[in-house]
Formats: sequence, structure tokens, C-alpha cells
Amino acid sequence: DAGVTQSPTHLIKTRGQQVTLRCSPKSGHDTVSWYQQALGQGPQFIFQYYEEEERQRGNFPDRFSGHQFPNYSSELNVNALLLGDSALYLCASSLRNRPTYEQYFGPGTRLTVT
Amino acid sequence: GNSVTQMEGPVTLSEEAFLTINCTYTATGYPSLFWYVQYPGEGLQLLLKATKADDKGSNKGFEATYRKETTSFHLEKGSVQVSDSAVYFCALAGRSGNTGKLIFGQGTTLQVKP
Repeated sequence: DAGVTQSPTHLIKTRGQQVTLRCSPKSGHDTVSWYQQALGQGPQFIFQYYEEEERQRGNFPDRFSGHQFPNYSSELNVNALLLGDSALYLCASSLRNRPTYEQYFGPGTRLTVT
Repeated sequence: GNSVTQMEGPVTLSEEAFLTINCTYTATGYPSLFWYVQYPGEGLQLLLKATKADDKGSNKGFEATYRKETTSFHLEKGSVQVSDSAVYFCALAGRSGNTGKLIFGQGTTLQVKP
């Protein structure tokens, strides 16, 4: 049983560019949450998707957007990249309305903005 | 708003030493509390949890007790091993406990030397 997978593992972008990160949830899970982890910091909640809609959102600008597909996989899009967007982006999957601790994290995508 | 503060690292210990990593929180109501561990190159893993006051979470020799009176959830282990070297995050989830949104502390790096 595959766990949460994310792609790509690493990528490098230039300021002003746009980026798309992908996440496949653990088998049987229908909810995906995204977190940003800056170097030396704890993860910060970006948003959560289930039933193909954004359900919760953290304190992130509109440059951060997402999508969930019918197969429950998800994308995180960031427009007009800033140097401060450099971070590890973590995806977590779970079942809707299950306890928060029953979510599984992927290994993350390391984004570097130059 | 809700927040988590944990002791700054890095924490460097010799094998078999006693470990304490302090964590305090600010939250409305009665959050659920967690410790997550992040090994190099891997995603976050739930280490232990406590969902109500005075609960003690435990796993792999690690323990933490939910202290409502001091708003604390300190992580302890009686005898650390080299394999415990990782980054440890204290986190909380809101009152309902099943929103999927976690609030993390900044993380504490533990290095255990042989």
C-alpha cells in the first residue's frame, strides 16, 4: 500500500515564475492538506481540499491556489514566485472527519526560488 | 490565535542520556496535542498524541503528558539512542480534533552521539 507521494522531489524556479506541485494521497483517503515548511521552521498550514473544493485556508496570499481531482490527488500552484516561497512543501492525506492525528505526510517537495 | 512554542535546538546528547524537549501552547478550548518526528529526507511521522487533559501519550520509549494547568506537553525519553537523532515538532489541533489542520512549533533538532 503506497503512502502519500509527492512530485517532483526538488525543483528550482526563478522569481516571478509559476510552479505546480503534485500530491497523491494514501490509498483510501479523500482529503488532502498542504503545508509550507521554511528552513528551520515548523510546517504552516496552507489549505485543505476534499470533495474537490477548498475547505479551510491558512494565512497565505491568493498567489497560492490548489486543486483536487476526482481521484483525490491534488495540486498546489504558486504564482509570481518570491524568494520567500523557498521551502519544503508537505502534503498530508486523511479521511474526512477522522481525527486530525490520522493523517499521513508525504516526503515533501523542496522548492528553491532564485 | 492558537500557537505552539518549543525549546530551541539543537539539543546534543550522548547515547543513553535523558531527553526533555519543552513545549507550551496557547489555544482556546481543549486542543489535541501531538509530537511529530522528521527524519532526514522523510515526511513527518506521528510519534505520540494526547487528546485530553492529563492524558499521557507514549510510543517507542517517548512520553508526554497533557498538562492543562501549565499549558505544556513536554517530550521525554529516559535513554536516547543514536537512531533518535531527528527533528521533533510539537503540534496542536483545534477543539474538535478532526479538522485536519495542525499548528506546529518551530521544531527542535536532536543529535545523539555514540
